Amino acid sequence: KNQVEQSPQSLIILEGKNCTLQCNYTVSPFSNLRWYKQDTGRGPVSLTIMTFSENTKSNGRYTATLDADTKQSSLHITASQLSDSASYICVVTFTSGTYKYIFGTGTRLKVLA
Amino acid sequence: NAGVTQTPKFQVLKTGQSMTLQCAQDMNHNSMYWYRQDPGMGLRLIYYSASEGTTDKGEVPNGYNVSRLNKREFSLRLESAAPSQTSVYFCASKPGQGAGGYTFGSGTRLTVV
Repeated sequence: KNQVEQSPQSLIILEGKNCTLQCNYTVSPFSNLRWYKQDTGRGPVSLTIMTFSENTKSNGRYTATLDADTKQSSLHITASQLSDSASYICVVTFTSGTYKYIFGTGTRLKVLA
Repeated sequence: NAGVTQTPKFQVLKTGQSMTLQCAQDMNHNSMYWYRQDPGMGLRLIYYSASEGTTDKGEVPNGYNVSRLNKREFSLRLESAAPSQTSVYFCASKPGQGAGGYTFGSGTRLTVV
């Protein structure tokens, strides 16, 4: 069964600290993996996209990694800011005739001053 | 650019009432989607329109209908609302049916009492 699991469900950190969010998937055949940021009351916004051959992708203080062999991805946030408080959603795309998308349940991050 | 615009932002319905959620995009995208987001679950696809003039069921279509009015607009209709349809609804668009990322609207929070 195609699934995307994220951990932890929620996380609280102090401003300025780093954190890492995890995404494990059992999706095949894999096409790409995206991380989205969803602010409260808003729609998700894409942060990064990685294909099978890419191991790492950065977007400012956000760095995503992908291990296609173990089917794991992580999103590392460096020097967190209050504005990083949001839900982070991992989305895996696979092909089944057409492209299909499996959404993880997200990690809710709270950054405290 | 507005991107994807959804109306209304909030709505309370009584069981059995009907309503239509409106969505419009100004990015000249061919494909449009309706998702629902429930606590503890990933976004789930209700219906999609790969291109103007076509619509298809997603993962959870029961109780909903859609209309692709033109290339810009894609509406979601609840004919007889049920408490199980209490959710946050997101409209999204993509350039096409390829593996590209979504642009999401800001959501409609619907409560059915």
